[in-house]
Amino acid sequence: DAGITQSPRHKVTETGTPVTLRCHQTENHRYMYWYRQDPGHGLRLIHYSYGVKDTDKGEVSDGYSVSRSKTEDFLLTLESATSSQTSVYFCASSRTGKDQPQHFGDGTRLSIL
Amino acid sequence: QKEVEQNSGPLSVPEGAIASLNCTYSDRGSQSFFWYRQYSGKSPELIMFIYSNGDKEDGRFTAQLNKASQYVSLLIRDSQPSDSATYLCAVLLISVGDGTASKLTFGTGTRLQVTL
Repeated sequence: DAGITQSPRHKVTETGTPVTLRCHQTENHRYMYWYRQDPGHGLRLIHYSYGVKDTDKGEVSDGYSVSRSKTEDFLLTLESATSSQTSVYFCASSRTGKDQPQHFGDGTRLSIL
Repeated sequence: QKEVEQNSGPLSVPEGAIASLNCTYSDRGSQSFFWYRQYSGKSPELIMFIYSNGDKEDGRFTAQLNKASQYVSLLIRDSQPSDSATYLCAVLLISVGDGTASKLTFGTGTRLQVTL
């Protein structure tokens, strides 16, 4: 299994507060991704990174920002959390090569009250 | 039309039977296809991937791809209660960055129940 850890694993916070989720991988994978998973919607890509300081938007990027200052770390920030961002967030990473599968972290369950 | 479609299930099969999970996709340019298994409350775990038309076997699992029909399936032989999970189909629709990364689109998953 790819060594991908997410922190925190669970978080409860209030509307309007900033939240940062961290993803750390030890596989030296070039590519990293943030997804959210909601009932009826499946996994949806928020942002992805194809190298240090190289990031781009996914299909549900509004209200989220990311940063990648090191190969191993990919941060997801909710600048001002809203209840609609209550979800389970997964980080994934993959090797170089468009056919390389993505491997997922254990997820972060985020509740915004 | 959703880009990747799966029947949500639940698909119920008896222990020892063959489970057949299906996935259709809309983009004929799709290049790679992945099957993930997700237990309740856990993260998706890669089972298999397939790129070429035909069958690919790995133990009790067989992935089948028919690009002409835009159809990919996963067969699980000798189904076990431990196979009870949600199975996610993921399709590579776009290469991103410098073309060396995949941006996957996931179906919503099929819930499989293997009964004793």
